[in-house]
Amino acid sequence: AQRVTQPEKLLSVFKGAPVELKCNYSYSGSPELFWYVQYSRQRLQLLLRHISRESIKGFTADLNKGETSFHLKKPFAQEEDSAMYYCALRRWGGGNKLTFGTGTQLKVEL
Amino acid sequence: GAVVSQHPSWVICKSGTSVKIECRSLDFQATTMFWYRQFPKQSLMLMATSNEGSKATYEQGVEKDKFLINHASLTLSTLTVTSAHPEDSSFYICSADMGRESDTQYFGPGTRLTVL
Repeated sequence: AQRVTQPEKLLSVFKGAPVELKCNYSYSGSPELFWYVQYSRQRLQLLLRHISRESIKGFTADLNKGETSFHLKKPFAQEEDSAMYYCALRRWGGGNKLTFGTGTQLKVEL
Repeated sequence: GAVVSQHPSWVICKSGTSVKIECRSLDFQATTMFWYRQFPKQSLMLMATSNEGSKATYEQGVEKDKFLINHASLTLSTLTVTSAHPEDSSFYICSADMGRESDTQYFGPGTRLTVL
C-alpha cells in the first residue's frame, strides 16, 4: 500500500525566508504526486502536480524518485502563503484515488 | 469553473439519528465523486469512491451500512450517516472529477458533523 509522510506538523518562517515543506512517499509503482493547499476557512485546492513541472505562486516541487521525495519549495515566503499544505499521491490506474499526507501548517511571520 | 458544493456546511444531531450530506458539482458533470473524512489536525482519509449509476466502492475499514453513499446523477452524490453516534463526529469532505484518468479532483468546502 502507498503512504505519504509529511514529517512537520508546523513550519514557522519569517517573511522573505526560504520555505521547504517536506514530503516523502512509499509506493512500489510509478506515482503521480500533488501538493494541495488549504487557506484559512477555504476549501482544499490543487497547488501543483509533478507532471506539470510548473511554478505556482512561486512554489516548485521536484519529484525525486531516488529519495522518494516531493518537497515543496519557495525561495521567499510571503505572508499570504500561510496555510495548510497537503502532499498527495495517486497511483496510475488506481481510479484517481488520492492518498494524503498528514499536512504541514505553514506560518509566515512578519 | 469546476466548483463543488456541499450541504449542509454544518449539522448537529442527536445520537441515533441519520444525517444526509449532499455533494454537488455545479458546473461540470462529475462521473466520479469521492468522500473523505478528516479528524481535527489530521489528514483526509478516503472513505469511498462513487461512480454515477453504480454502487460505491468503500475503503477497507469503512462500514458500508453505516455510511450510505448514493450517486444518482452526474451532479449529485449523497452521504448518509445512519444511526449516528458521537464517534461519527467529524469533518466530511467530498471531491469530484470528470472520470478521466489523471483528472484533477475538485473539493467541496466540507461538512462539520457533530453528534450529541
